[in-house]
Amino acid sequence: DSGVTQTPKHLITATGQRVTLRCSPRSGDLSVYWYQQSLDQGLQFLIQYYNGEERAKGNILERFSAQQFPDLHSELNLSSLELGDSALYFCASSVVSGSISYNEQFFGPGTRLTVL
Amino acid sequence: GNSVTQMEGPVTLSEEAFLTINCTYTATGYPSLFWYVQYPGEGLQLLLKATKADDKGSNKGFEATYRKETTSFHLEKGSVQVSDSAVYFCAQSDKLIFGTGTRLQVFP
Repeated sequence: DSGVTQTPKHLITATGQRVTLRCSPRSGDLSVYWYQQSLDQGLQFLIQYYNGEERAKGNILERFSAQQFPDLHSELNLSSLELGDSALYFCASSVVSGSISYNEQFFGPGTRLTVL
Repeated sequence: GNSVTQMEGPVTLSEEAFLTINCTYTATGYPSLFWYVQYPGEGLQLLLKATKADDKGSNKGFEATYRKETTSFHLEKGSVQVSDSAVYFCAQSDKLIFGTGTRLQVFP
């Protein structure tokens, strides 16, 4: 158990809909990362938040957004869903040390999103 | 740009065979390098890490050495077990880039 929790575990929805995925980081971790894992794209970094502020952006679509709340949990919002958004969405957390290059991440179990 | 390149899988081995999974990277600076493992139905777990050149990360019999001159971080294990069957991801901390993953299948 990594200490990172994600809800829900599974989500089935229709095209055009909007969903929210939730992540609670490990106790004490200030950084939260979101990833998308699909069969054809592999593991893609979406976005990172640090202590409530956006820190880095990866291959995140404009239809997707995220935020990190004062209690450090994070939500990933996916809107106008398309069939191709079906994937596993992972959240990870880390303690960002003084050196930004040392960045060990702890992953949650993931949310499997199916868009029908 | 920054990247991580892993050998394609699946890698299929018999129990007790020697394992090598190649990983090379490109980066503008000197990133930390990681190997993560994903067992079926689970999230990724950190397997080992190295934060500077010539560092050797090791865990559970797996090893990888940070080679700046060849920009590589190859994963090795001397004797694999069936329980090592999983997907292995190489990653670098700069731009948070992961490789595409290499599936390892070990048969008894």
